[in-house]
Amino acid sequence: QVNLLQSGAALVKPGASVKLSCKASGYTFTDYYIHWVKQSHGKSLEWIGYINPNSGYTNYNEKFKSKATLTVDKSTNTAYMELSRLTSEDSATYYCTICEGARDYWGQGVMVTVSS
Amino acid sequence: DIQVTQSPSSLLASLGERVTITCQTSQSISNNLNWYQQKPGQAPMLLIYYATSLQTGMPSRFSGQYSGRSFTLTITSLEPEDIANYFCLQHYSAPYTFGAGTKLELK
Repeated sequence: QVNLLQSGAALVKPGASVKLSCKASGYTFTDYYIHWVKQSHGKSLEWIGYINPNSGYTNYNEKFKSKATLTVDKSTNTAYMELSRLTSEDSATYYCTICEGARDYWGQGVMVTVSS
Repeated sequence: DIQVTQSPSSLLASLGERVTITCQTSQSISNNLNWYQQKPGQAPMLLIYYATSLQTGMPSRFSGQYSGRSFTLTITSLEPEDIANYFCLQHYSAPYTFGAGTKLELK
């Protein structure tokens, strides 16, 4: 079965960067785009962008263009999202997800806390 | 960007009651809208995709309808396990956008 396993929680200092991982299994990695979603304080959700694991093509929400960088490593079936120049506004839970019709799968989420 | 207006933001309902949640989009998105249920500490779970299709394994008391830019999620008879937050997501065009959510609580 499809599984998206995300890296563990991160505590990072303001101004630093963090790279989150999302290891996919149970399907052909290049078959589906991987999306990333931000959820602040258990409230509403924001779509950050997606990456095509086959080509590396990315599509970002304009709001996150200078904040997030999406990449993949096809050799390990892993997607990454690097968040840069972190501030308290970036403290949130981040999910990787596949969202294609009925093929809808989510990682368990990773909490990022930005604090000195 | 396509705006998605979800209502109500919170809802008190009794067991066995019929519950309806609505999302209105700022422009036509055809049927490109999903409904999700999220419980505390868990990832969202897909209930309805393409506005009206029930995800495999989800109870049949959940249903989705749409007309134009208005989308509704209906729970025909509320069960205790339905107490959760509900979100809609438009995936017609990037940036994909979510509704602000509906917190469903027991009266």
